[in-house]
Amino acid sequence: NAGVTQTPKFQVLKTGQSMTLQCAQDMNHNSMYWYRQDPGMGLRLIYYSASEGTTDKGEVPNGYNVSRLNKREFSLRLESAAPSQTSVYFCASSVTGQGIYEQYFGPGTRLTVT
Amino acid sequence: TQLLEQSPQFLSIQEGENLTVYCNSSSVFSSLQWYRQEPGEGPVLLVTVVTGGEVKKLKRLTFQFGDARKDSSLHITAAQPGDTGLYLCAGEEETSGSRLTFGEGTQLTVNP
Repeated sequence: NAGVTQTPKFQVLKTGQSMTLQCAQDMNHNSMYWYRQDPGMGLRLIYYSASEGTTDKGEVPNGYNVSRLNKREFSLRLESAAPSQTSVYFCASSVTGQGIYEQYFGPGTRLTVT
Repeated sequence: TQLLEQSPQFLSIQEGENLTVYCNSSSVFSSLQWYRQEPGEGPVLLVTVVTGGEVKKLKRLTFQFGDARKDSSLHITAAQPGDTGLYLCAGEEETSGSRLTFGEGTQLTVNP
């Protein structure tokens, strides 16, 4: 049971390049999330998927797109990377118990855009 | 607008000291969670509190949910270097569905 896995762990992009961050979970969770973490700003939600086949914008969706490929996988795409997207990206999934959404996080992807 | 404010932002103490971290909001939450994050890793859930006034203990860590479900505190007794990390609170609003709102975090350093 690997939990939440993310690839790659590190990435350096040039401005304007594109890339896709991959995330998979093996816990049979319905909900999945993408966050970015910047110093002094905590975790900010980019997009989330409450269930397979649905996606919704979070707090900071501009410049990103997502795909919920199936129940296990949720990818994040940067179409044209900008230096402002330099950040650490975390994927998470959640189980529901009496309406409580406790989240399980992956190890993160450290992205630098030059 | 930051819905959840954590204080202090940074805390550096000596081993054996006690400390309290606060998480405050003007919003009411149906649940509030505390996570700890170590360098280079993702956050890990410590506890979830659901009922106003609820107190939960996890070894030397005590978590309390405010009576009005707008605030929470984390108290660590006799801190150890292994407690070092970023502590994040996260609230689930009643109308937010499966989304959580995270505080900015408290960076705790416990010096031996």
